Formats: sequence, structure tokens, C-alpha cells
Amino acid sequence: AQKITQTQPGMFVQEKEAVTLDCTYDTSDQSYGLFWYKQPSSGEMIFLIYQGSYDEQNATEGRYSLNFQKARKSANLVISASQLGDSAMYFCAMREMNTGFQKLVFGTGTRLLVSP
Amino acid sequence: GAVVSQHPSWVICKSGTSVKIECRSLDFQATTMFWYRQFPKQSLMLMATSNEGSKATYEQGVEKDKFLINHASLTLSTLTVTSAHPEDSSFYICSAIGGRVKDEAGGPSNEQYFGPGTRLTVT
Repeated sequence: AQKITQTQPGMFVQEKEAVTLDCTYDTSDQSYGLFWYKQPSSGEMIFLIYQGSYDEQNATEGRYSLNFQKARKSANLVISASQLGDSAMYFCAMREMNTGFQKLVFGTGTRLLVSP
Repeated sequence: GAVVSQHPSWVICKSGTSVKIECRSLDFQATTMFWYRQFPKQSLMLMATSNEGSKATYEQGVEKDKFLINHASLTLSTLTVTSAHPEDSSFYICSAIGGRVKDEAGGPSNEQYFGPGTRLTVT
């Protein structure tokens, strides 16, 4: 079974609008962490935001916020006021504490295109 | 944030030869490093986890004799693709973390710092 599911292969948004990228996860662990990374065409992985399973508040980092719904096992990324430079691949990832080594499991990614 | 470098950034080699890729943590000691492979338009797939001074732990389906990993120091891990074939052409990315694993219930997140990646093309 997929641990991380990103159902949107591609998303389009106009500059200055907000966009939500979906992510659902599957785990039986009580303790886990959820991450979002941005991968521009250069290939580097850029950390955006982190949510721990015990965090009661949704994580926010500047224009990025994570809509964490634990009961639904979803961790959607919201990008407000989109910019042209936001065009990239976005990956949701999960770390389960029972793996010991902090392995990250990635979703298949969503390609975001921001138009002027 | 912490910096991880990879060398080379891209490499072209002939089928049957071996290629070594280096991953260095520049400003912190990495107790654990991870090696990922990413095929075009696909996600990152973890190949192996390496801890300084011990043997790497390979993911299911990854040939340990083909992808040799050495984590000889707290700042350097190497991945050697032995007898490379065209199907090994891919983007290889390393990541590193330092310090003790912290519980998700509290404390900082022990973020993984990714290198810029190495694009391998085998002809």
C-alpha cells in the first residue's frame, strides 16, 4: 500500500492566487512527521515545512501552511499569493519513528505551474 | 541551514565502468546519510541508509554489490555504482542528518539536508 499519496499530477494557478496541493498518508504509528519539499528543475530538494504528529497547531512558514487533518490522515500544503518562482515539483514525505533511521518516504509529486 | 555537497554534479560514463559519487556535510557532522535515486518524472526512492562506521542498510530490491556505500567519516559518504549499465542512468541524491533521533513529540525536527544531486548518464 502507498504510504504517501499525492493525487494531483499537475496543478495550475495564476500568480497571486492561493493553491492547495493534496497529500494523504497511511501509517499505524502514533509518532510520525510530515514534510513538504520543493524540487525546481535544477533538481535540488528544498525543505518547505514540517508537521509533527503531536503538533496541535497547523505548521506555517511564510507563504506556506500545512492543513493537517489527523483523523483524515491528510497533510495538504497551501501556498498563498503564488509567485512565478513557485513553479516546480512538490513532494510530500513522511517519516515514521519506528523505522529508527528516520527514513523519508516520498509521494509521487505534484507539478505546479504558476502563470502570469 | 546546514549544507550538503555532492560531487560530481553530473557524470557520463561508458557501460561496464564504475562511478563514485561523494556526499559531504560541510558544516555539521552527519551521523546518518541517505542515498536516493530519482528517475525522470518520478519520485525519490530510497536506496540505502548509511551510518558512520557501520555497514549500510539497503532497501529491498537494491543490489548491495552493485551500489557500494561507504560512510568512512562523519562528513563523507560515497556511493559507487559498479559495472554501470544504461538502466542505471538516473539522478542520485544524498541527504544527511546529524545528532540523535528526536521523538516527534517534542524538540526540533532533525531535518534532513539534501545535496544538490548527481546526474549519471551511462552510455
